[in-house]
Amino acid sequence: EAGVTQSPRYAVLQEGQAVSFWCDPISGHDTLYWYQQPRDQGPQLLVYFRDEAVIDNSQLPSDRFSAVRPKGTNSTLKIQSAKQGDTATYLCASSFAGGSQNTLYFGAGTRLSVL
Amino acid sequence: QQQVRQSPQSLTVWEGGTTVLTCSYEDSTFNYFPWYQQFPGEGPALLISILSVSDKKEDGRFTTFFNKREKKLSLHIIDSQPGDSATYFCAAMSNYNVLYFGSGTKLTVEP
Repeated sequence: EAGVTQSPRYAVLQEGQAVSFWCDPISGHDTLYWYQQPRDQGPQLLVYFRDEAVIDNSQLPSDRFSAVRPKGTNSTLKIQSAKQGDTATYLCASSFAGGSQNTLYFGAGTRLSVL
Repeated sequence: QQQVRQSPQSLTVWEGGTTVLTCSYEDSTFNYFPWYQQFPGEGPALLISILSVSDKKEDGRFTTFFNKREKKLSLHIIDSQPGDSATYFCAAMSNYNVLYFGSGTKLTVEP
């Protein structure tokens, strides 16, 4: 069974540039999460979806960040005008909400550096 | 507001020794507590988990303990191996399906 796939693996930007991250969750998983992990810190939730609906985006900086999951499968996270403070690894995770335990499975992440 | 607190920040143990990591939390609605292991360049991977109805769960060399009254949990690794060198995160979830992570413990096992 394929795991969570993310691309690209790395991105390097100048401040003010835009970037998109793509995630392909595990087949059959209805819930998809985007986490931000700054260097040497734990992952912090940005947004999560159940199917195509946004359930919680309260931690997403809405002026510059956006996330979509239009068909309830793949998802894209976009940063419109990157800042140095956005430097972090962006992790996608998926889970099946109907399971006995809501285990999250993570992709390898996209490591973003904003210069 | 940090939902889950984890200590120590880093830890070095000798091969064959026992590793103990600890976490605490505040939110009484948390009922699921997984531990994730993360190697450099990889995403976190589930190591072991426990529900709030239990106080202990074992999986090979890994055991997690849960104390509901004190709102604390711990991870014990016996016979620690160099291959266990990684960053370990405790996490907590309520019925709202949001997983909150601690800040992580970087473990180094010296041969």
